[in-house]
Amino acid sequence: AQTVTQSQPEMSVQEAETVTLSCTYDTSESDYYLFWYKQPPSRQMILVIRQEAYKQQNATENRFSVNFQKAAKSFSLKISDSQLGDAAMYFCAYYSLDSNYQLIWGAGTKLIIKP
Amino acid sequence: GAVVSQHPSWVICKSGTSVKIECRSLDFQATTMFWYRQFPKQSLMLMATSNEGSKATYEQGVEKDKFLINHASLTLSTLTVTSAHPEDSSFYICSAPHEGGNYGYTFGSGTRLTVV
Repeated sequence: AQTVTQSQPEMSVQEAETVTLSCTYDTSESDYYLFWYKQPPSRQMILVIRQEAYKQQNATENRFSVNFQKAAKSFSLKISDSQLGDAAMYFCAYYSLDSNYQLIWGAGTKLIIKP
Repeated sequence: GAVVSQHPSWVICKSGTSVKIECRSLDFQATTMFWYRQFPKQSLMLMATSNEGSKATYEQGVEKDKFLINHASLTLSTLTVTSAHPEDSSFYICSAPHEGGNYGYTFGSGTRLTVV
């Protein structure tokens, strides 16, 4: 069965610094998608970034980038120039074409931004 | 972009009453809707998957008769918590895949249910 593991329950970073959130997953599929979602205190889930497994190039969205290591089944999120508005829970999620559209979720990492 | 409107945002109800939560896809057709429950400081727990025009598929351990899901149209899915009890108090979120899920999932803003 597919699983997603986020080993960091909480991380903190100084404003304007860079932080990396880790995520590993387990799957026997070769074609799948990975996502990072942000859940701020409002609890609205917001898509941060997505990665297709067949693409070797790491996805980037402004200050957010991923380090996708397919062989190691690792999908970390790097946030550069951290801002106060980045404070939130961050969830890593996996989706396979064979999973009937179901997302498999990690436990989440709470990111604290220190001013 | 794809938007899912969820109502109400919060509701307080008396024990024994029923509460209906609605999720509407505003600018796309949601053939599938996922219903999640989220406890404080925890991840999302999938309760059930609804597909337009067919019966919902419930996850193991979720009471079908307590959490009634209806997906009567391509733009509306509802979750009714029947005979609510304090232990049903939680945060409920709906989500629909768009573009087949490959481009992500759109989430409703969630409903905080408090049963007193």
